[in-house]
Amino acid sequence: AQKVTQAQTEISVVEKEDVTLDCVYETRDTTYYLFWYKQPPSGELVFLIRRNSFDEQNEISGRYSWNFQKSTSSFNFTITASQVVDSAVYFCALSEAGGANSKLTFGKGITLSVRP
Amino acid sequence: DVKVTQSSRYLVKRTGEKVFLECVQDMDHENMFWYRQDPGLGLRLIYFSYDVKMKEKGDIPEGYSVSREKKERFSLILESASTNQTSMYLCASSLRGGSTDTQYFGPGTRLTVL
Repeated sequence: AQKVTQAQTEISVVEKEDVTLDCVYETRDTTYYLFWYKQPPSGELVFLIRRNSFDEQNEISGRYSWNFQKSTSSFNFTITASQVVDSAVYFCALSEAGGANSKLTFGKGITLSVRP
Repeated sequence: DVKVTQSSRYLVKRTGEKVFLECVQDMDHENMFWYRQDPGLGLRLIYFSYDVKMKEKGDIPEGYSVSREKKERFSLILESASTNQTSMYLCASSLRGGSTDTQYFGPGTRLTVL
């Protein structure tokens, strides 16, 4: 069965610090997809990134970067020079390529607080 | 931009009432999903639908039903609301491909059952 572990539950940093959010996953499939979502205090989950299991290239988008390592089953998310607006709950999620009945499994989320 | 809307941001109902939560997406997505989110439990899938009039049970379907009469609309129904159904309900949609395609979420409905 697929599983996502976000061992960090709460992280607090001061503005401009870099912060890394960890995500470890378990799956028996060779084809799967990984996601990160952000949930600000308003409640809506905002999509950040989707990555398939065959693409291990790291990705950078502005202050955000993602490090995908199949050898350690990890898909970590780094925010560089954090800002107060980055304060949110961040979810990592996994979906196995099981066709129409595949399900998205979420981690428990990491609450990030960025202090001015 | 994908737009997923939910009928209410906040809802207060009494035990035993029948409750309808509505979700509408405007991007012609095939798949739609209902989740509930609770502290310490994360997001859990209630039901999903990959086509009109089709529905599949998720991980926690007990006490809920769904309806999808039109492609853009997916309704979650609490036949007889109970206090343990107090939660945040999130609707999502994706273009196709089950859950491997990106899911886009609505703003959520915070339901309180008294």
